[in-house]
Amino acid sequence: QSALTQPASVSGSPGQSITISCTGTSSDVGAYKYVSWYQQHPGKAPKLIIYGVSNRPSGVSNRFSGSKSGNTASLTISGLLAEDEADYYCSSYTSSSTVVFGGGTKLTVL
Amino acid sequence: QVQLVQSGAEVKKPGASVKVSCKASGYTFTSYYMHWVRQAPGQAIEWVGIINPSGGSTTYAQKLQGRVTMTRDTSTSTVYMEVSSLRSEDTAVYYCARSERVDGFDIWGQGTMVIVSS
Repeated sequence: QSALTQPASVSGSPGQSITISCTGTSSDVGAYKYVSWYQQHPGKAPKLIIYGVSNRPSGVSNRFSGSKSGNTASLTISGLLAEDEADYYCSSYTSSSTVVFGGGTKLTVL
Repeated sequence: QVQLVQSGAEVKKPGASVKVSCKASGYTFTSYYMHWVRQAPGQAIEWVGIINPSGGSTTYAQKLQGRVTMTRDTSTSTVYMEVSSLRSEDTAVYYCARSERVDGFDIWGQGTMVIVSS
């Protein structure tokens, strides 16, 4: 099972919006509504920010939103804050009953 | 509060085995799946496998198939992950994380560093 494809890095200025893509196949992202997104700050455990493609857990800012079209899922962060600078990972359930993660995207807030 | 507490760091020689524990508290242990993921230094997150604490069924990533075993002890609300025939490439922080469905790992352990070195 190959990792989902994410851009290695994205950047944006405070207040702007950015979008991170996550491309899989018809056997994972394209097949299920089981796509999640995680935020990870250095030295910390990942934190769930989106599940089920577009659902936010309680306590997660509504500046984070998720969507999916075909084999590509997307995470959008609006109103960028300095604290959003982190690594972001997508994941998907697969037709093999496993889970696959993306390669991660480093977000830099300029 | 809901939490997962993992066992401490390990240093192992190539070819040895390591067993990491993850003790759950604050919720009904058998109502959530438990996953293990790992992250090598400076690398991306990699899914290792899943155990259903209710019946004990497991599914493992193909990459570690045959070398990883996940078990659970419902009397202590603890899951275990054992990796055998360790190689230097297994050096990583190993995390346990729970999910109510097959996605959405909402609670994570603090991570256990496993170093494989001769």
